[in-house]
Amino acid sequence: GQSLEQPSEVTAVEGAIVQINCTYQTSGFYGLSWYQQHDGGAPTFLSYNALDGLEETGRFSSFLSRSDSYGYLLLQELQMKDSASYFCAVRGLDNYGQNFVFGPGTRLSVLP
Amino acid sequence: DGGITQSPKYLFRKEGQNVTLSCEQNLNHDAMYWYRQDPGQGLRLIYYSQIVNDFQKGDIAEGYSVSREKKESFPLTVTSAQKNPTAFYLCASSIDGGGPDSGANVLTFGAGSRLTVL
Repeated sequence: GQSLEQPSEVTAVEGAIVQINCTYQTSGFYGLSWYQQHDGGAPTFLSYNALDGLEETGRFSSFLSRSDSYGYLLLQELQMKDSASYFCAVRGLDNYGQNFVFGPGTRLSVLP
Repeated sequence: DGGITQSPKYLFRKEGQNVTLSCEQNLNHDAMYWYRQDPGQGLRLIYYSQIVNDFQKGDIAEGYSVSREKKESFPLTVTSAQKNPTAFYLCASSIDGGGPDSGANVLTFGAGSRLTVL
């Protein structure tokens, strides 16, 4: 099975850089994904790492280290609109590779 | 534009009643999923389906039922057997199968249905 852990809350100021960590225990997975969810809204896909290393998408970057069972989402030049919950997720190799498991989520608050 | 449509957005139910949440997608995705989200918590998988007329239980399937008669549609019924049904329900879809570099690793979500039991 899979389980993922994330900090419950992170606070940062506008313009700063923040890192949201995700540690996992899994029997195997295809890759690590990140989703953003604003209050009352649906999760939206942000980034995905199939391989170890850094993936950059604009102000957002994501990192994966399979040897350390660890990944993170890096948000740069924080804006007020980045205040949301962020979830890491893995797509497991079992159940025909269609079982996505999500972390508990990290609530990011961006202060002016 | 392609996407996932969930309805209704808000639903109130009396105890003992069954309710059905609709999920329709025009993304031509084979795989569809239902997740439950409780306040301040992550997403828990209820059911998923990789192909028409086939579906698999997720971690919290008790008290729920689904059907997949058409590729585009994956309705969820919350039955009276579900003891604590008040929650936010999210439908999602993805490309089916494929390895680590495929689009199967990305979920597209609908806007959600918020169910409240009175």
